[in-house]
Amino acid sequence: AQSVTQLDSQVPVFEEAPVELRCNYSSSVSVYLFWYVQYPNQGLQLLLKYLSGSTLVKGINGFEAEFNKSQTSFHLRKPSVHISDTAEYFCAVTSGGSNYKLTFGKGTLLTVNP
Amino acid sequence: GAGVSQSPSNKVTEKGKDVELRCDPISGHTALYWYRQRLGQGLEFLIYFQGNSAPDKSGLPSDRFSAERTGESVSTLTIQRTQQEDSAVYLCASSPSYNEQFFGPGTRLTVL
Repeated sequence: AQSVTQLDSQVPVFEEAPVELRCNYSSSVSVYLFWYVQYPNQGLQLLLKYLSGSTLVKGINGFEAEFNKSQTSFHLRKPSVHISDTAEYFCAVTSGGSNYKLTFGKGTLLTVNP
Repeated sequence: GAGVSQSPSNKVTEKGKDVELRCDPISGHTALYWYRQRLGQGLEFLIYFQGNSAPDKSGLPSDRFSAERTGESVSTLTIQRTQQEDSAVYLCASSPSYNEQFFGPGTRLTVL
């Protein structure tokens, strides 16, 4: 079975500060990893994904994440956040198998203050 | 192009009533998923459809929940005899392959 732990339920930061949202996963097999963002009253939008290859993955809106197999982590980072980055961020994992269903963390609410 | 659409966007119902939620996937996407998002929680997998294969129903929480999909198009999720714990946002996603799921805006279900 696979699981995802997002270590921080809320992260408040000031505008233009750097941010890291932490995600750890557990799985007995190889995984594909994803970060999704959910703006208020909207569906989920894919930020970035790790499938294979380079462990540093760049996504939309200036976000990036690093896959660390030894630490089973996939932390999301942005060097300078904007007010518009305020949203809920979800880390998700799938190990493939027969259905590629995603297992999600509980989410991290990022609040960017002026 | 058009994304995944879901209807209704909001549904308020009384305990014990049946509800039907609809999902229109992106054209050409063979895989379709339903997830449930309870307040303050991540998404929970409910059911998966892939083409004409038998659906994976392993995430359905009880036999009050069922879902259908017509070919590779519309899907409906039905909840019978709704309970207050069914209150959640129900999200549908479609996918052309293993490497990304595209989500709809969700249906917010409130059971009074």
